[in-house]
This record gives sequence, structure tokens and C-alpha cells, in this order.
Amino acid sequence: DAGVIQSPRHEVTEMGQEVTLRCKPISGHNSLFWYRQTMMRGLELLIYFNNNVPIDDSGMPEDRFSAKMPNASFSTLKIQPSEPRDSAVYFCASSYTRLSGANVLTFGAGSRLTVL
Amino acid sequence: AQSVTQPDIHITVSEGASLELRCNYSYGATPYLFWYVQSPGQGLQLLLKYFSGDTLVQGIKGFEAEFKRSQSSFNLRKPSVHWSDAAEYFCAVGIFGNEKLTFGTGTRLTIIP
Repeated sequence: DAGVIQSPRHEVTEMGQEVTLRCKPISGHNSLFWYRQTMMRGLELLIYFNNNVPIDDSGMPEDRFSAKMPNASFSTLKIQPSEPRDSAVYFCASSYTRLSGANVLTFGAGSRLTVL
Repeated sequence: AQSVTQPDIHITVSEGASLELRCNYSYGATPYLFWYVQSPGQGLQLLLKYFSGDTLVQGIKGFEAEFKRSQSSFNLRKPSVHWSDAAEYFCAVGIFGNEKLTFGTGTRLTIIP
């Protein structure tokens, strides 16, 4: 099991550019989460999917952010246009959600984004 | 909505000393509780979890945590820390029927020789 795979690990871009972060969840997992980590705000849940369907996107900061999950093995988080305040580490996590609702998240190594 | 508080931002302990990291939650019913650890430049790794049953749970790397309903707490402990335990530790809470986890702000642990 390769775990949750995120790419790129590091991204440096200029303000106004489009950024796409990618995530491959663990095979067999049916829920996928995007978190953002900053010094000021800690870990924030941006959006999560269950069976490829977005369930809660209330944490997406603004319309510049969008996320998709076209199939069970791939998700993207896109920022367009990017701004310096988007600089953060973005984590993807996946889980197998049981009927009991007890959910254990497995995290990827993160994508560190720097917007100049 | 559920919430979790980690009152200590930064803790420093000597190698070999005991450790306790505090976590308090707010939720009307019994939550699911987790501790995760994050080493520099890495993702979060699950240390242990509490779903039900025995209130003292054992995790990886010699860590344990105790759920105390009366105090709404889930403190993490280790009897003797090692230099490799230096990391950031996050407490998280989940609730039945909801896939989301809510994380605390984290406690950074520094180990001194």
C-alpha cells in the first residue's frame, strides 16, 4: 500500500497563476478530504468527498478555489488565480467510511505552496 | 458543533522524562477521539484512537491516552520520551454519522538532551 500520494510536494508560483494540486487516495477508501495548514489558522478542512461526490465544501475560502474528484482514485484542488495568502501546506487525506461513522483518516505528505 | 482545545502551544521536556499533552473536547455525546503526530515536513500519522470501550487506549511508539468523560479530556501520555518524539501533536474529534474530523491547534514538543 503506497498510502495517499500527493503531487507536487513543493510548488512556487507567482501571484495570478493557476495552481493545481493532485491527490491519489488509498485504494478502497471511499472518502477524501482536502485540508490546508497554516501557522495562523492551523488545520482547516476545505472540502470532502464521499464516493466521489462533494459532501461539504463550506471550508473552501472563496470562488478561486475549486476541487474535483472525477473517479475514486484521483482528486484535484485548483486555485485560480493564486494569491500570496494562499501560501500554505495542503494535505489530502482518505478514509474508508463505515456505517458506524467512525472515521480514521490517512494523510498524504502534503503539498507546500508558495505564492510570490 | 464539536470542538477540540489543546491548551499548550509548546512543551519542552528532557529526554527520558514523562510526557502528558492535554486535549479537551466539546460535544454533547460521546465523540470519537484521535491523536495524530506530524514530524517536520511530513503528513499526519495516527498515533491512537478511541471509539468506545476501555477508556485507556494504547497506540504506536509507546504512547497511550485516557478518555475521561467527566473532564471532557483525552490526554496523551508517554512514560519516557525519546529525542525522536520531537514533533507536533494534534488531537482530533469526530462524531457519529459525520465523516469530518475537527483538529485542535496542535502542541509542539521539543526534547532536550
